[in-house]
Amino acid sequence: GAGVSQTPSNKVTEKGKYVELRCDPISGHTALYWYRQSLGQGPEFLIYFQGTGAADDSGLPNDRFFAVRPEGSVSTLKIQRTERGDSAVYLCASSPTMSDTQYFGPGTRLTVL
Amino acid sequence: GENVEQHPSTLSVQEGDSAVIKCTYSDSASNYFPWYKQELGKGPQLIIDIRSNVGEKKDQRIAVTLNKTAKHFSLHITETQPEDSAVYFCAASRKDTGTASKLTFGTGTRLQVTL
Repeated sequence: GAGVSQTPSNKVTEKGKYVELRCDPISGHTALYWYRQSLGQGPEFLIYFQGTGAADDSGLPNDRFFAVRPEGSVSTLKIQRTERGDSAVYLCASSPTMSDTQYFGPGTRLTVL
Repeated sequence: GENVEQHPSTLSVQEGDSAVIKCTYSDSASNYFPWYKQELGKGPQLIIDIRSNVGEKKDQRIAVTLNKTAKHFSLHITETQPEDSAVYFCAASRKDTGTASKLTFGTGTRLQVTL
């Protein structure tokens, strides 16, 4: 079956611009996670959704970052006033209800010039 | 919060040899420990996982061991093949009933299998 998909695969933007990154989880998965991976590092947790609500947003670095999941399926990560330090690969993962296992998408590589 | 350390950062082995990657964690309440393989330009792929009620788990050439007392776990790959070359990440999470199980990752091990 189809895995987690993320669009776009690459995004280049200028400092100060607004960007949206999209995640389509595996069909039927109720939990959705966003992580950020800097070069040479492991993924770092940003936010977790259970259904439509953000159950844990403790990993969001500041208020420029926001994520939504209005219908409990697709999620969008939104970054305002982008900074060069936001450049990274943004990964999305989903998991079935009551499961530990997280399945990752291919990521969106964000470059802020 | 949880802290996961991973060693070595790079590992080179000859085809057919074994590879071992070790991780330690800090939160004694962590109870789920997955290992991911990440190839260049791709997302992490789950290869094996272990829960805190189990000491060892094996799947073909891959095995994971867990020592809860020492708070460390290891990945063992036997009979390595060139296609095993990738970056491997360990992770830990604490899964309480009805709560999030965000993963805390190690810094990764770049494994190179040479012919």
